[in-house]
Amino acid sequence: AQRVTQPEKLLSVFKGAPVELKCNYSYSGSPELFWYVQYSRQRLQLLLRHISRESIKGFTADLNKGETSFHLKKPFAQEEDSAMYYCALSPETSGSRLTFGEGTQLTVNP
Amino acid sequence: DSGVTQTPKHLITATGQRVTLRCSPRSGDLSVYWYQQSLDQGLQFLIQYYNGEERAKGNILERFSAQQFPDLHSELNLSSLELGDSALYFCASSRVWSHNSPLHFGNGTRLTVT
Repeated sequence: AQRVTQPEKLLSVFKGAPVELKCNYSYSGSPELFWYVQYSRQRLQLLLRHISRESIKGFTADLNKGETSFHLKKPFAQEEDSAMYYCALSPETSGSRLTFGEGTQLTVNP
Repeated sequence: DSGVTQTPKHLITATGQRVTLRCSPRSGDLSVYWYQQSLDQGLQFLIQYYNGEERAKGNILERFSAQQFPDLHSELNLSSLELGDSALYFCASSRVWSHNSPLHFGNGTRLTVT
């Protein structure tokens, strides 16, 4: 079975500092990886996905198959980035069903 | 706005009762997913439908059931409610049956069992 691990429950940085939210996964096949963001326990919004290799709101994420990681990075954090971030995995056999990590609450201090 | 509509937004009910949560997927999306988000358990996958058929079950209790109707909307029924069922229940939809197709989430139904 697949598993997603986000080792940091809480992460606090200052505005303008770089931020990295870690995500590791265990799955033997070729999954698709996603990052979702949730503001104040509202709906989850897709932030980015591995296959599109795009940058959203200044965030990027690189899939490292060797280390089975999909860390989310932003060079200069903004206060409006404060939110809960979830890493998620979709196995190739599951349709679009996602397995989520436990989430990292990011706080960007002024 | 994701285009996924969930009703009601809030629900307060007593233990032992039964409730129905409703979800309308984005126009054109055939797959519907239900997730439970509680403070101590994070996001747990409950059940998945594709074009009216159940495709996968996750950590869904026997007291819970769901279905997807011909018009593709879905309902999640929770019965014999317990205090521990208090949570946010999210519905999500996707266009096709593909692991590359992202999920689009609704705003959730906040269930409080007293």
